[in-house]
Amino acid sequence: DSGVTQTPKHLITATGQRVTLRCSPRSGDLSVYWYQQSLDQGLQFLIQYYNGEERAKGNILERFSAQQFPDLHSELNLSSLELGDSALYFCASSVDAGPGQPQHFGDGTRLSIL
Amino acid sequence: GQNIDQPTEMTATEGAIVQINCTYQTSGFNGLFWYQQHAGEAPTFLSYNVLDGLEEKGRFSSFLSRSKGYSYLLLKELQMKDSASYLCAVRPPDSNYQLIWGAGTKLIIKP
Repeated sequence: DSGVTQTPKHLITATGQRVTLRCSPRSGDLSVYWYQQSLDQGLQFLIQYYNGEERAKGNILERFSAQQFPDLHSELNLSSLELGDSALYFCASSVDAGPGQPQHFGDGTRLSIL
Repeated sequence: GQNIDQPTEMTATEGAIVQINCTYQTSGFNGLFWYQQHAGEAPTFLSYNVLDGLEEKGRFSSFLSRSKGYSYLLLKELQMKDSASYLCAVRPPDSNYQLIWGAGTKLIIKP
């Protein structure tokens, strides 16, 4: 158990819809990262938050947005969903106290667009 | 640009040894991570190298050569449960603790 909690585990919805994925980081971790992983593909970095502030953006579509709340949990909002958005979405957290600190991953949310 | 290369897939036999290579070209270097990811599951942290040399952790070892931009993960006494993807990731300096990820190497273990 990594200590990172993601909900829901599975989500099935239709094209054009909007969904919200939730992540609670490990206790003490201030950074949250969101990744997208399509079938048999590598991890695609979407966005990073640190202590409530956006810190870095990767290949995140304009239809996607995220935020980190004062209690440090984070939400990833996906709107106007397309078939190609079907993927595993991972949240990771880290303490960011030194370069050797690893990111710890949640179990992911599997999003299926029908 | 920033680039990380790993073989796409490797096959090895149960009980044997396998070496998974990773080469990187990044603007600066502040450490290299190896993660294991079973299909459909979360990546889990295996090792971190920032200085040249070999780090050993039980059946798994990781090696780094900064001058060559090269690392490898060595898995000994392979078990069927080692069938997974192995991801190499580099941390550039001043990166806000982000990682640049390789596409991963899918390791298939045969009896």
